[in-house]
Amino acid sequence: AQKITQTQPGMFVQEKEAVTLDCTYDTSDPSYGLFWYKQPSSGEMIFLIYQGSYDQQNATEGRYSLNFQKARKSANLVISASQLGDSAMYFCAMRAILTGGGNKLTFGTGTQLKVEL
Amino acid sequence: DVKVTQSSRYLVKRTGEKVFLECVQDMDHENMFWYRQDPGLGLRLIYFSYDVKMKEKGDIPEGYSVSREKKERFSLILESASTNQTSMYLCASSPFSSITDTQYFGPGTRLTVL
Repeated sequence: AQKITQTQPGMFVQEKEAVTLDCTYDTSDPSYGLFWYKQPSSGEMIFLIYQGSYDQQNATEGRYSLNFQKARKSANLVISASQLGDSAMYFCAMRAILTGGGNKLTFGTGTQLKVEL
Repeated sequence: DVKVTQSSRYLVKRTGEKVFLECVQDMDHENMFWYRQDPGLGLRLIYFSYDVKMKEKGDIPEGYSVSREKKERFSLILESASTNQTSMYLCASSPFSSITDTQYFGPGTRLTVL
């Protein structure tokens, strides 16, 4: 079975500062993908960034980067230069091909980020 | 752009009513999913479908059923709504099985069962 753990229910960060949102995962599958999504108060889930288990380099997408530490089974999201519009719920998710039913995503419980002036 | 639409943003129903939540995607995706989202629990998979007329149970299928008669449409059915089914329901779709493929989500339906 797959499991995603997000231990920070809520985080605060000052505008223009960087923030790290923690995510640890558990799977016995050698091949898996890790995703981060943002959910603003309006409700829609927005895909941010993806990291594959065999990727040698950490993924980056604009101000988002993923600090992937495979041996520790962690996939933390780093948001640089925080903006007020980054205030949202953030979810970490995993897909495991062999043991996770292929198409399914397993989600963590989320971290509510609030960016302050 | 991929678009996933859900029939209602907000829905209020009474205990015992039969409830239909509709989801439509316009990108010819094979896979479609229904999740419910509750505070502190994240998203939990109810059912998913990888082809027309095919369905598989997710982690919490009890009290729900689904229908996929056409590729673009995936319906979630609450046969007899109960108050513990008050939740946010999210539909998603994705292309067929590549590990890199993200799921694309609809705007969600906030269902209240009185």
